Amino acid sequence: NAGVTQTPKFQVLKTGQSMTLQCAQDMNHEYMSWYRQDPGMGLRLIHYSVGAGITDQGEVPNGYNVSRSTTEDFPLRLLSAAPSQTSVYFCASSYKQNTEAFFGQGTRLTVV
Amino acid sequence: GENVEQHPSTLSVQEGDSAVIKCTYSDSASNYFPWYKQELGKGPQLIIDIRSNVGEKKDQRIAVTLNKTAKHFSLHITETQPEDSAVYFCAAHISGGGADGLTFGKGTHLIIQP
Repeated sequence: NAGVTQTPKFQVLKTGQSMTLQCAQDMNHEYMSWYRQDPGMGLRLIHYSVGAGITDQGEVPNGYNVSRSTTEDFPLRLLSAAPSQTSVYFCASSYKQNTEAFFGQGTRLTVV
Repeated sequence: GENVEQHPSTLSVQEGDSAVIKCTYSDSASNYFPWYKQELGKGPQLIIDIRSNVGEKKDQRIAVTLNKTAKHFSLHITETQPEDSAVYFCAAHISGGGADGLTFGKGTHLIIQP
């Protein structure tokens, strides 16, 4: 059982470039979310989705877009990368918003 | 929105001793309080959670207590072992009136001294 799969594991971008972080889950979970983790800051919610076709903003959504065309996939798009977006990004899925969240292994992104 | 404060940021204990990590939250509407353990290079993993209708929950060496009146909850680890060394995060969930997701504390680095 794969759980939550994130790709890539590492990425270096130049300022202004765009890219998509992929996230897929095989647990048929309705709720999916993206967090960023910065040193000393814990995890902060970027965007979330309560089901296919539905997305909403979290605490720090600026500079990121998401879509949810299927239950399984929840990609995160950086439109024009900035050094402030250097972080570790985690995707998570859960049956409901207030049930156990399963996290992927993370993507370490560096913007130079 | 919700605000979660976590203390201490670093905790060093002798192997076999107990460890306690404390969190406070700001919004009384929060109803779900999970604790996650994160090992180096990995994603967080749930170790225990508690809902607002329960005051205490235990799972082997790990327990969580919740005081709704004071708006704080704590993680207790007894008989600590080397494999307990990790970063621990508390979180609170609130829905309605804002983002529907978890708000995390800033983490506690737990070090188990042999």
